[in-house]
Amino acid sequence: DGGITQSPKYLFRKEGQNVTLSCEQNLNHDAMYWYRQDPGQGLRLIYYSQIVNDFQKGDIAEGYSVSREKKESFPLTVTSAQKNPTAFYLCASSTQGANEKLFFGSGTQLSVL
Amino acid sequence: EDKVVQSPLSLVVHEGDTVTLNCSYEVTNFRSLLWYKQEKKAPTFLFMLTSSGIEKKSGRLSSILDKKELFSILNITATQTGDSAIYLCAAKNQGAQKLVFGQGTRLTINP
Repeated sequence: DGGITQSPKYLFRKEGQNVTLSCEQNLNHDAMYWYRQDPGQGLRLIYYSQIVNDFQKGDIAEGYSVSREKKESFPLTVTSAQKNPTAFYLCASSTQGANEKLFFGSGTQLSVL
Repeated sequence: EDKVVQSPLSLVVHEGDTVTLNCSYEVTNFRSLLWYKQEKKAPTFLFMLTSSGIEKKSGRLSSILDKKELFSILNITATQTGDSAIYLCAAKNQGAQKLVFGQGTRLTINP
């Protein structure tokens, strides 16, 4: 089955710790995105990547980092600099030519211990 | 700054009712408006609208775009409990590589 796989489903972060959220897709999509969802705030874009080895900051990139070494993979690291990391994180992908139609993963809920 | 605003933020109705969800946008060089349904975790695509006045329909759901007044509505007729979800609206401008999302409308259908 083609799709986007995010792991883990639930993640807990200790104070001062960096954590990495995984996102893998087998849709052969060029573009991948990371969104953060807080209650009542919709989806906010953290980072996105149009092609391998290239990525751009979204609207709320501070405290986060990404890499795009392979087309299939776009991991997100939540660093200790992100002071309010508790949120639901969604990864998405799209084709280059129709990048409005996003395909989403099932998300990772990150909480701070 | 591009902006998308949805209303209401929350709506509770009885099964069988008809609901209308609203989405207004301010986007430079507007290209398209999209609706997604988020039931549990992963949002799923419903509609993409690019032209004014042309209704898109899928079963009991329909949507239309007004590019003059800068809004879209999503209608759901004969609602069922399975329609309970967060409905997300998003807009894209011509040059940007990203969507701007609204806050979402949480719809609850009571039996």
